[in-house]
Amino acid sequence: DTAVSQTPKYLVTQMGNDKSIKCEQNLGHDTMYWYKQDSKKFLKIMFSYNNKELIINETVPNRFSPKSPDKAHLNLHINSLELGDSAVYFCASSHGAGYTFGSGTRLTVV
Amino acid sequence: GENVEQHPSTLSVQEGDSAVIKCTYSDSASNYFPWYKQELGKRPQLIIDIRSNVGEKKDQRIAVTLNKTAKHFSLHITETQPEDSAVYFCAALNTGTASKLTFGTGTRLQVTL
Repeated sequence: DTAVSQTPKYLVTQMGNDKSIKCEQNLGHDTMYWYKQDSKKFLKIMFSYNNKELIINETVPNRFSPKSPDKAHLNLHINSLELGDSAVYFCASSHGAGYTFGSGTRLTVV
Repeated sequence: GENVEQHPSTLSVQEGDSAVIKCTYSDSASNYFPWYKQELGKRPQLIIDIRSNVGEKKDQRIAVTLNKTAKHFSLHITETQPEDSAVYFCAALNTGTASKLTFGTGTRLQVTL
């Protein structure tokens, strides 16, 4: 059973489109995150939710909107995709200091 | 907020040699320092961690050291093997607050035969 699962694994889309990435964790963790890893491999936090409440919102364009329907799910919706949004997006969950990452979604905007 | 710097950005060693990666952090409230290994196309995986009440921790060929005063921590890999080739990230976290895991910029380690 995959602890943190993301779908889709790959996403290729045209500029201007709207797309969503889904994340689910079965670890019972209270906190979930979205991280972005760019082409230089930098891993940067985007959002964090604790028990469905947004607790961290880094400087991210408002084209990015996270949604947490329950504490096991954290989805990421992106409007009006731009070339610069191309990256690998990792979902993660944590309990205390223990973080578990999903396998990533490679988004390519063409 | 926390800022973590990591050096070097790339490191090439011969098989059997040691590799050392160094990080510094800015927030003295950070008390948990994990290291992640990311192989090509894979997710970051925790390989070792250290808490601020400990100065050193070892697990087989890998060890971490922490100097709280200087806000430095390092990863040491001995007897490197080709399968150690990956990108390594250090990170820092204050477990007492609803804060985030802040990553260093990564080190690409290449172990050559």
